[in-house]
Amino acid sequence: DIVMTQTPSSQAVSAGEKVTMSCKSSQSLLYSENKKNYLAWYQQKPGQSPKLLISWASTRESGVPDRFIGSGSGTDFTLTISSVQAEDLAVYYCEQYYDTPYTFGAGTKLELK
Amino acid sequence: EVQLVESGGGLVQPGRSLKLSCLASGFTFSNYGMNWIRQAPGKGLEWVASISSSSSYIYYADTVKGRFTISRDNAKNTLYLQMTSLRSEDTALYYCARHQIPGFYFDYWGQGVMVTVSS
Repeated sequence: DIVMTQTPSSQAVSAGEKVTMSCKSSQSLLYSENKKNYLAWYQQKPGQSPKLLISWASTRESGVPDRFIGSGSGTDFTLTISSVQAEDLAVYYCEQYYDTPYTFGAGTKLELK
Repeated sequence: EVQLVESGGGLVQPGRSLKLSCLASGFTFSNYGMNWIRQAPGKGLEWVASISSSSSYIYYADTVKGRFTISRDNAKNTLYLQMTSLRSEDTALYYCARHQIPGFYFDYWGQGVMVTVSS
């Protein structure tokens, strides 16, 4: 199974700060035939279902603010929030869909400083 | 508007069975693959099972293989999860989620249904 490791597990932030969080996979998620990284990011607010933010490592979903930026390739990926807003306080999960079983990281929780 | 509404959860004793349903609306259900993903209380997300649009391809996590069965009825726009031989570790909020083709990322999720396995 592909293991997804997210760091940090939690992060205290202030509104307006730039935030970065990491997601590392135990094997490459880059499919050589199409040069795509099979990595997604989700946001889960308290009491809510997860929401897809980014697919293919860097493709923002429609309606997702452009302060959310996905980057990386191979085994190392980053989600950056360029200027955190209060409504961004949530748990963020990465997910690999390169191979079954599809696996998630343990999450990074953004908290208010 | 895409909507996924799960039902069928509840409290069940270890070793017993339960069947979850997910009613889809707002999109052409028969064109999309579907999934069950669960979240134990206070924990992260665990993919459980996937089924392709025509039921040709079905995949399970090892933790549920042989005990859970995913199925769908495209005429009823409904996804199912038949769970047997339930264990305490199956206690979780079960989400129904749609996946895109290509790519098993989950673009729409239901609100989840709670399954509690306890004597």
